[in-house]
Amino acid sequence: EADIYQTPRYLVIGTGKKITLECSQTMGHDKMYWYQQDPGMELHLIHYSYGVNSTEKGDLSSESTVSRIRTEHFPLTLESARPSHTSQYLCASSQTGLQNSPLHFGNGTRLTVT
Amino acid sequence: KQEVTQIPAALSVPEGENLVLNCSFTDSAIYNLQWFRQDPGKGLTSLLLIQSSQREQTSGRLNASLDKSSGRSTLYIAASQPGDSATYLCAVRGGSEKLVFGKGTKLTVNP
Repeated sequence: EADIYQTPRYLVIGTGKKITLECSQTMGHDKMYWYQQDPGMELHLIHYSYGVNSTEKGDLSSESTVSRIRTEHFPLTLESARPSHTSQYLCASSQTGLQNSPLHFGNGTRLTVT
Repeated sequence: KQEVTQIPAALSVPEGENLVLNCSFTDSAIYNLQWFRQDPGKGLTSLLLIQSSQREQTSGRLNASLDKSSGRSTLYIAASQPGDSATYLCAVRGGSEKLVFGKGTKLTVNP
C-alpha cells in the first residue's frame, strides 16, 4: 500500500485567494510529481522534483509553483486562484535509481474556484 | 511527441465475462508501460508495469501484454466482477521522467 497523502481532499475557494495543496510521502522516494486532471481527460504533468531543492516544470503550463525543502514534502501553491484553476490535482512519487519503478499516487485534491 | 490512445472510452459487461482493454502509443522508444486503476474521486492505483524488454506481466486475474514495435498494449481481465468497475488508464514512460497518459477506459461490470 502506497503511503502518499494529500490534503485537503476537497477545497472550494473564492477568486484571488492564495492556496497551498499539501503532499507528503513516507516511502523515502526522491522523485515527486504533480499532475492535473480534468473530468474525462488525461493526466497532465505540471511539476516534478528529483529531490530536495530540485523543481522542474512539466508539460502543461501552470501558474502554480512548488517547493521541495524536505524529501517527504512537495507542496503546490497558487498565489491567486482563478476559476480556470478548477480541477483535480494529483501528487505522485517514485523510487530513485529505478527507471522501472512504478508511480504511487495520492487520492488527489479536488479544487473548485468560484 | 508521444500520444497515448485508449479504446474503447467506455465498456459495460456482465459479471463473469473476460474482457480486453486496449492502449496504443505513437513512439515505440519507451522504457516501460504502466496500467493504473482509478476509482471515482480517487487517485490512481498501479496495477501492472511492463518493462520495454518484457512481453507481458500478470497479477491475479489481470494480464498485461506489450508489443513495443507496433505500439500496442492490452490489459486482459479474467472473470470480471462488479468490484472491477473503475476507469483504467495506460501510461508510457519515454526517455524523460514524464509519463504520458491516455484518457482511460471506463469499465462497468454489471451484477
